[in-house]
Amino acid sequence: NAGVTQTPKFRILKIGQSMTLQCTQDMNHNYMYWYRQDPGMGLKLIYYSVGAGITDKGEVPNGYNVSRSTTEDFPLRLELAAPSQTSVYFCASTLPRGASYNEQFFGPGTRLTVL
Amino acid sequence: AQSVTQLDSHVSVSEGTPVLLRCNYSSSYSPSLFWYVQHPNKGLQLLLKYTSAATLVKGINGFEAEFKKSETSFHLTKPSAHMSDAAEYFCVVSVSGGSNYKLTFGKGTLLTVNP
Repeated sequence: NAGVTQTPKFRILKIGQSMTLQCTQDMNHNYMYWYRQDPGMGLKLIYYSVGAGITDKGEVPNGYNVSRSTTEDFPLRLELAAPSQTSVYFCASTLPRGASYNEQFFGPGTRLTVL
Repeated sequence: AQSVTQLDSHVSVSEGTPVLLRCNYSSSYSPSLFWYVQHPNKGLQLLLKYTSAATLVKGINGFEAEFKKSETSFHLTKPSAHMSDAAEYFCVVSVSGGSNYKLTFGKGTLLTVNP
């Protein structure tokens, strides 16, 4: 299994441009997540999905959109890029197995710079 | 609500000496707790997890952590630091069920290992 894969690895955008960060997992996990990581701040949840066709906002959703048409894919869309969206973005997935087992598996990240 | 506090933003040790990374958590329900490691410019890797089976949890690369409910702590330790342990470490709490298995991250502790 490849696990969680993300593309691209790096991207530079100009203010106002749009782009989609791709995330795919091959573990048949129904739960998927998008995080952003800023220096000294840990990871913040942007959006998550508990299955195909179901998405919900996390802690910092403004400026982003998501969709989940298949179990495998969970793309993150930036419509009007702003410098505040310069960050490293991580996708993760999990398959809950009961009340207390919910390890998430992370992709390698996408480093985005908005100038 | 749940939260995590990593008590040190930076820990510096000499190679061969013990490592202690401190983490306190807050949770209204019985939590799952994790330690993840992130090496420079890499994704997050699970070190170990607590899911109520045993309070002393052993992880990869010689790390272990002890869940202390009375102290709401989940400190990470290693008897002897290796140069390859230099990385950022995140303490993470999760509550299942109504929270949709969302993770709450601490802000991270940067571990420096000196030769």
